[in-house]
Amino acid sequence: AQTVTQSQPEMSVQEAETVTLSCTYDTSESDYYLFWYKQPPSRQMILVIRQEAYKQQNATENRFSVNFQKAAKSFSLKISDSQLGDAAMYFCAYNEGTPLVFGKGTRLSVIA
Amino acid sequence: DTGVSQNPRHKITKRGQNVTFRCDPISEHNRLYWYRQTLGQGPEFLTYFQNEAQLEKSRLLSDRFSAERPKGSFSTLEIQRTEQGDSAMYLCASSLALSNQPQHFGDGTRLSIL
Repeated sequence: AQTVTQSQPEMSVQEAETVTLSCTYDTSESDYYLFWYKQPPSRQMILVIRQEAYKQQNATENRFSVNFQKAAKSFSLKISDSQLGDAAMYFCAYNEGTPLVFGKGTRLSVIA
Repeated sequence: DTGVSQNPRHKITKRGQNVTFRCDPISEHNRLYWYRQTLGQGPEFLTYFQNEAQLEKSRLLSDRFSAERPKGSFSTLEIQRTEQGDSAMYLCASSLALSNQPQHFGDGTRLSIL
């Protein structure tokens, strides 16, 4: 079974600085999708960024970018110019069929 | 696009009672998923539908759990004879039936068992 590991239960970053959240996964498949979701306190989970495994180019969405290392099965999220509104739980997720497999999440705090 | 809607937002019930949750997906989405999220954990897959057909169920979905999507639109998740361990956030998500389409989540229903 596929597994997703987020080794950082909590992270903090100063406002306007850059932070990187780590994610590793285990799979024997070659074609799959990876996602980062953000879950603010008591609010719904929203998609931050996604990466298709067959694409070598790392995905970027404004201040959010990923470092996708397929051979190492690593998928880290970089948040640049951190803002107070970035404070949330961040979940890494894997998908090669239909159900998403999530990691346990990383709680990100942003310090003003 | 009104988003995925879940009702109720919160449900408090006594152990042994039955509860039912509803999910209304994004209107053009033909796939609908149910996940369970306990404190400090990521969501765990329970089951999903494509249109009205229930295509996959997790081993987490015990006999006390049943889900339906009778007309391929909204879905209900029922838990019979609730137990303390059922306390969790129940999340619904929907997507188009294409492999690269992301799932969009609702606000969830928080279930508390007394």
